[in-house]
Amino acid sequence: AQSVAQPEDQVNVAEGNPLTVKCTYSVSGNPYLFWYVQYPNRGLQFLLKYITGDNLVKGSYGFEAEFNKSQTSFHLKKPSALVSDSALYFCAVSRPGFQKLVFGTGTRLLVSP
Amino acid sequence: DGGITQSPKYLFRKEGQNVTLSCEQNLNHDAMYWYRQDPGQGLRLIYYSQIVNDFQKGDIAEGYSVSREKKESFPLTVTSAQKNPTAFYLCASSPFGLDRSTDTQYFGPGTRLTVL
Repeated sequence: AQSVAQPEDQVNVAEGNPLTVKCTYSVSGNPYLFWYVQYPNRGLQFLLKYITGDNLVKGSYGFEAEFNKSQTSFHLKKPSALVSDSALYFCAVSRPGFQKLVFGTGTRLLVSP
Repeated sequence: DGGITQSPKYLFRKEGQNVTLSCEQNLNHDAMYWYRQDPGQGLRLIYYSQIVNDFQKGDIAEGYSVSREKKESFPLTVTSAQKNPTAFYLCASSPFGLDRSTDTQYFGPGTRLTVL
């Protein structure tokens, strides 16, 4: 079985400050990890993914995520938050030979001016 | 959202009615998926299809049905057997089917279904 935990329902940060959205996972074998963002009443947009290789993955809109195998984490980060980053963020996991993605429950990011 | 269209954007259903949600993609992707989103529960997989004329149940398939007669189309029918169908429904596609778990899934804009 595989699962994803996003321990924070909401993260609040001031514009210009660094942001972190947390994700931990549980999977048998090597994980494939994904981050998506969702704006209100819209579909999910792909941000980045980790398959193998460098633990620091860079993605769209200045976001990056760090894969930490020992802590089974894949936290999403951005050095300087924008008000327009306010949205719902989902972490998801898959593994070799498993076609399906398993999603976390989402974290709402609120960036204040 | 580019390349995947879902219609209608909003749909209202009376109890006891079947309704069909449309999903079309022009990305030439092999695999397609249907998810249901409820507040605080994330996304849950309803059905997925890796190739034309083949599909598999996801985690919450009861009360739903699908078909995959064409590569670009994957309609979802919400039947009267689905007791709590009010939700946001998302369709997705990925380039390859069949054991390509590294593929990125790309999502449509969603359909919000409300039961009256």
